[in-house]
Amino acid sequence: SQQGEEDPQALSIQEGENATMNCSYKTSINNLQWYRQNSGRGLVHLILIRSNEREKHSGRLRVTLDTSKKSSSLLITASRAADTASYFCATDRVGTGGTSYGKLTFGQGTILTVHP
Amino acid sequence: NAGVMQNPRHLVRRRGQEARLRCSPMKGHSHVYWYRQLPEEGLKFMVYLQKENIIDESGMPKERFSAEFPKEGPSILRIQQVVRGDSAAYFCASSPPLGGSKTQYFGPGTRLLVL
Repeated sequence: SQQGEEDPQALSIQEGENATMNCSYKTSINNLQWYRQNSGRGLVHLILIRSNEREKHSGRLRVTLDTSKKSSSLLITASRAADTASYFCATDRVGTGGTSYGKLTFGQGTILTVHP
Repeated sequence: NAGVMQNPRHLVRRRGQEARLRCSPMKGHSHVYWYRQLPEEGLKFMVYLQKENIIDESGMPKERFSAEFPKEGPSILRIQQVVRGDSAAYFCASSPPLGGSKTQYFGPGTRLLVL
């Protein structure tokens, strides 16, 4: 499997429900970022969690990071139809001497559909 | 503060022609990244540049693709002699000088269609 794999590939829920997406990765990371992409559009940065952080909140978003399991989850609470989009996790891997490689490695994404 | 700008937003080329994609980073950002997204897939890293320097081009095809980020002006991703397989969305991202959060801010993308 690839660095930054999301699970599930697709998720369909009703408005008001919570949506949970998972991401697994293979190598040591500096940080992990979640992005949203609406169909045919660019990426919108949602949240960044550093390798020494375990949980982070931003509005209706909650991100967790478990470096021992090399996994992260994104929880969207009280979903809305406007949350319908593809969600990607991206990892900033640790380079030589603990530095950043600079590039992000993206997963295949989770397609979230929220029905009104 | 304008976001990352890319142009054109859509580009149609015939096989064998050249495609030039432009990216202007956010103000104050000195790092530019190019990614390619094939239909129904995630983004794949292509190249990472700073002003007048290519830092990492490990994701760039060895032939026909080149990138630059001159001292003045936008970053350019150039694809020579395009083929149908080059059809994809090309995204540029920028980030501030290292030492910050390293969040990358993405532009709207250029959708290249090769006929």
